[in-house]
Amino acid sequence: GIQVEQSPPDLILQEGANSTLRCNFSDSVNNLQWFHQNPWGQLINLFYIPSGTKQNGRLSATTVATERYSLLYISSSQTTDSGVYFCAVGLRGGGSNYKLTFGKGTLLTVNP
Amino acid sequence: SQTIHQWPATLVQPVGSPLSLECTVEGTSNPNLYWYRQAAGRGLQLLFYSVGIGQISSEVPQNLSASRPQDRQFILSSKKLLLSDSGFYLCAWGTASTDTQYFGPGTRLTVL
Repeated sequence: GIQVEQSPPDLILQEGANSTLRCNFSDSVNNLQWFHQNPWGQLINLFYIPSGTKQNGRLSATTVATERYSLLYISSSQTTDSGVYFCAVGLRGGGSNYKLTFGKGTLLTVNP
Repeated sequence: SQTIHQWPATLVQPVGSPLSLECTVEGTSNPNLYWYRQAAGRGLQLLFYSVGIGQISSEVPQNLSASRPQDRQFILSSKKLLLSDSGFYLCAWGTASTDTQYFGPGTRLTVL
């Protein structure tokens, strides 16, 4: 099956710093999503980004589908940004569903 | 707007006992429904998905089963729990048109 690798596995920042998280995937995909898992376990949708660039406040993401990678940028980090960031790639199955394969995530800790 | 509920939020069960976790979705019809498990190592693994009532596809052979008795209800079950069934169980919904999955708050299961 498809492989999804995220780097770095762990990242510690001071509040106000910027960071870049990377997601590499091994095959062509129909979809790519970025999630943030907060300390309570809730997975929060950040971006649906099969290709191109999107921005939402201090976060932005870029996917280069032809080169099979995606980047998540966090600017001016805040302590509330702490948590695990997941990249998940989607492959359409038979019929109307599609399946997500997750990377192992990047654990981000933002210190005050 | 759409919401997804899971219960219970936490559960501690002895080895060999049965299991029933419930997931319900509001505000949408005929959703695709998914069960994932997150083990201590952080990655999420797709267990089951369903594209309609009574239609269940299993991704990983295991001690668990799933059922979809109603359009917006998805149930994860086991007849006899194993220690290895411990983990964080997440339900998600999506549609064929959105290509995006949205996750519930999860159930933390500990098997002792």
